[in-house]
Amino acid sequence: ILNVEQSPQSLHVQEGDSTNFTCSFPSSNFYALHWYRWETAKSPEALFVMTLNGDEKKKGRISATLNTKEGYSYLYIKGSQPEDSATYLCAKDAGNMLTFGGGTRLMVKP
Amino acid sequence: GAVVSQHPSWVICKSGTSVKIECRSLDFQATTMFWYRQFPKQSLMLMATSNEGSKATYEQGVEKDKFLINHASLTLSTLTVTSAHPEDSSFYICSARDQGAGGRYEQYFGPGTRLTVT
Repeated sequence: ILNVEQSPQSLHVQEGDSTNFTCSFPSSNFYALHWYRWETAKSPEALFVMTLNGDEKKKGRISATLNTKEGYSYLYIKGSQPEDSATYLCAKDAGNMLTFGGGTRLMVKP
Repeated sequence: GAVVSQHPSWVICKSGTSVKIECRSLDFQATTMFWYRQFPKQSLMLMATSNEGSKATYEQGVEKDKFLINHASLTLSTLTVTSAHPEDSSFYICSARDQGAGGRYEQYFGPGTRLTVT
C-alpha cells in the first residue's frame, strides 16, 4: 500500500445499526494513526491517536483497533445515531506529517 | 485539548487581490504548523509544512510563490494567497503540532477559512 486508503467511501445505515470501516496504510515509517470525525467546512475533531500494534481505544459508542504490522485500523460505531453522521478520516502519522485517507462518509437514517 | 484559531473564518475577495489567513496556537507553542486545503468532496490535502524561523516546505504541485507561508513566531503562521483567482476558492485549514506528555505529538486543527474569489 502506497497511500492511506479508507473503505468504504460512503455508508448508509439505519439508526441503531452497528457499523465499521477500514483504514489501510503503509506500515513503513509509522509513528501513529489518527482518527478524526469531520463535518465538511468545519475543523476535524480528534477521536483517537494510536501508536502501538494491538492498540484498542474506546470513546462512548466508538472504538478503534490498530494493526501496525499489516497496516490497518478499524473504526467501530455501536448503535449508530443520526448525530454520528459525518465523514470519518484516518491519518497516518510518520512523525513529521500526517497523510490523510479519503474518508468514509457515514449517513445514519432515523 | 489545545486550541488553534484561524482568522478570518470566511473571506470574499476579487480576482487579482491577495488574501492573508492567520493561524494561531492559543495555549501552546507550535514549532511546526501545517496548511491544508480541501477541494469539494475530497479529503484534506497538505499544501505545506511551516517551521518556525525557516522556510516552509511545499508539497509537490503547490506553487510557493502563490501561497506564501510565514511562520514568524511559535504561535503564529500566515498563509497569503497572492493574486487570487476563482480556482483558488476553497476551504483552507491550518494545524499546529504540540508535543504533549511523554513526548507524544498531538496535532490540533484550526476551524478553517472559507475563501471565495469572485
